[in-house]
Amino acid sequence: GQNIDQPTEMTATEGAIVQINCTYQTSGFNGLFWYQQHAGEAPTFLSYNVLDGLEEKGRFSSFLSRSKGYSYLLLKELQMKDSASYLCAGVDSNYQLIWGAGTKLIIKP
Amino acid sequence: IAGITQAPTSQILAAGRRMTLRCTQDMRHNAMYWYRQDLGLGLRLIHYSNTAGTTGKGEVPDGYSVSRANTDDFPLTLASAVPSQTSVYFCASSKTPGVGANVLTFGAGSRLTVL
Repeated sequence: GQNIDQPTEMTATEGAIVQINCTYQTSGFNGLFWYQQHAGEAPTFLSYNVLDGLEEKGRFSSFLSRSKGYSYLLLKELQMKDSASYLCAGVDSNYQLIWGAGTKLIIKP
Repeated sequence: IAGITQAPTSQILAAGRRMTLRCTQDMRHNAMYWYRQDLGLGLRLIHYSNTAGTTGKGEVPDGYSVSRANTDDFPLTLASAVPSQTSVYFCASSKTPGVGANVLTFGAGSRLTVL
């Protein structure tokens, strides 16, 4: 079956760095997305990886290893506004998104 | 409007009642989707439409129907609501289905409670 696993909740300190991991099992693979979702709001796009390696976008970076079925989202210089849920989603062979349950990130001062 | 508009924002209804959640986008995106989001679960696809005039079933289509008469609108109907349909419903759209980098734009969500 198809599955996306990510931790339910993580806590980090303002100004620090946090890494949110995601492992995936999909029928075929056409890339992996990360979305951010603040409480009570819509998910918004953060990153898309289809090739192995690290993609950097300002304070946020996303990494993919296709051979390991693994991705992570790296957030640097954490700010209070980064408190949100981070959703990992794999794209299967039919270009359907398989979503993880999300990781709730709590930032403490 | 800019992006996706969903209505209503929140609704409480009695079991057995019919309910339509509205979704309108102004980005001229080809594809539209309806998801439900429940605590502890990932977003689950209910129905989708790759282009106006076509629809398809997602992972959890039972009890729901959709139509896509034009590019902009994609209403979701619950013919006879049941308590298990209590959820937050998100409408989304994307420019080009069937490609890997198919970024979704989401509406703000409709919180539905069925009693």
